[in-house]
Amino acid sequence: EDQVTQSPEALRLQEGESSSLNCSYTVSGLRGLFWYRQDPGKGPEFLFTLYSAGEEKEKERLKATLTKKESFLHITAPKPEDSATYLCAVQAAGGTSYGKLTFGQGTILTVHP
Amino acid sequence: DAGVIQSPRHEVTEMGQEVTLRCKPISGHNSLFWYRQTMMRGLELLIYFNNNVPIDDSGMPEDRFSAKMPNASFSTLKIQPSEPRDSAVYFCASSPGGSTGNTIYFGEGSWLTVV
Repeated sequence: EDQVTQSPEALRLQEGESSSLNCSYTVSGLRGLFWYRQDPGKGPEFLFTLYSAGEEKEKERLKATLTKKESFLHITAPKPEDSATYLCAVQAAGGTSYGKLTFGQGTILTVHP
Repeated sequence: DAGVIQSPRHEVTEMGQEVTLRCKPISGHNSLFWYRQTMMRGLELLIYFNNNVPIDDSGMPEDRFSAKMPNASFSTLKIQPSEPRDSAVYFCASSPGGSTGNTIYFGEGSWLTVV
C-alpha cells in the first residue's frame, strides 16, 4: 500500500527565515510525486511534479527536490503570503492505482511578518 | 480557462436525506476523481473514472455512496441516506490523462454538513 508521511505537522517561521518541509514515501513504482498548496476554504493548488530521483523544480521562493525515499520543499526567504498547508502526494505507476494520488497529511506553514 | 467546477459549494442537510454533489471537469480531461477531506483522515480518494468508466471505487466507504459519470463533462456523487459522519469537504478533480500529462487539478470543493 502506498504511504506518504509529511513532517513537521506545523511550522512557524519569521518572514525571511528559510526552511524545508519533508515528505517521505513508499510506493510500488513511482510515476510522479506532487506538491500542492491549499489555502483555507480552497481546493489544493498544483505546484510541482517530480518524476525521478535527483530532479529539482523551482517556482518563486519554492524549490522541490526528490530522492528515492523522500522529497523536500525548500522555502527561501518566505513571506506571509506563503502561509498555507502544503500537501505532498504520490502517483503510482501501473495497476489499478494508475492515475490516482495518495496524499500525506500536510504541513501547515505560518509565516509571521 | 475554467477550472473544475463543483456545486453546491456548501450544503447543510438533515440525517437521512439524500445529497447529490455535482462536478464539471476541465474540458478535454479524460480522468475524473472524487476525494473527501476531513481533519482526521486528510484527503482520501473515493472513486476515479477514466473516459467516463469507473476504474477504482475501493475508497467508497459503503453502499450509501454512489458515483456516476454519464458523459465527459459531468459527474455526480450521491449519498443516500446521509449520516453526520459524512460531514466533510468533497473535492472533484480532473486530469488530462494519457500522454498529455498526469497532473490532477482540483475544484474548490463542496462543504457538506449533515446534522
